[in-house]
Amino acid sequence: DAGVIQSPRHEVTEMGQEVTLRCKPISGHDYLFWYRQTMMRGLELLIYFNNNVPIDDSGMPEDRFSAKMPNASFSTLKIQPSEPRDSAVYFCASSSDGNYGYTFGSGTRLTVV
Amino acid sequence: KQEVTQIPAALSVPEGENLVLNCSFTDSAIYNLQWFRQDPGKGLTSLLLIQSSQREQTSGRLNASLDKSSGRSTLYIAASQPGDSATYLCAVRAGGGNKLTFGTGTQLKVEL
Repeated sequence: DAGVIQSPRHEVTEMGQEVTLRCKPISGHDYLFWYRQTMMRGLELLIYFNNNVPIDDSGMPEDRFSAKMPNASFSTLKIQPSEPRDSAVYFCASSSDGNYGYTFGSGTRLTVV
Repeated sequence: KQEVTQIPAALSVPEGENLVLNCSFTDSAIYNLQWFRQDPGKGLTSLLLIQSSQREQTSGRLNASLDKSSGRSTLYIAASQPGDSATYLCAVRAGGGNKLTFGTGTQLKVEL
């Protein structure tokens, strides 16, 4: 298995532009999580899905952020419009139910200038 | 609300030393606890996963223990090496859901 795959690895965009981050979870995992990591706040859970359905989006900072999971093998996190304070590393992770651990992707480093 | 604390925030040791990293959590109703390693600019690598019913897990030079009733876990690294230098994060999977709550991490430096 190739693990959790995220793209792009790096993204530099101008303020006000739309940004879309992509994630392919491990096949067979029915939970998918989006995290954001910054120096100030550490790792924060933004949203997670179970069987492609959003379960908890209480960590999504603003309406500018949205996430979708159209099928079991693909999810997107979109920021529109982007702002400099959105600069961070965004991680996607997947897991099976209950007593299994998480597997993280390599992350997308987003810089908004 | 689950809160996870890691002490110390940073640690520098000479090569060969045995060391202990600490993790504490406020809500003992957890499914499991997972230790991760993060190298600078990289993603998170899972090191050990301890289920709530277990007391410890071992992998090579690493040993993680869990005392759920007191809300504590330790990661023991034996015979540390410069390649162990990284940030170590503990995270608990809550009993009331499937969220993983992370600690703030311990930045470890093992010097030659």
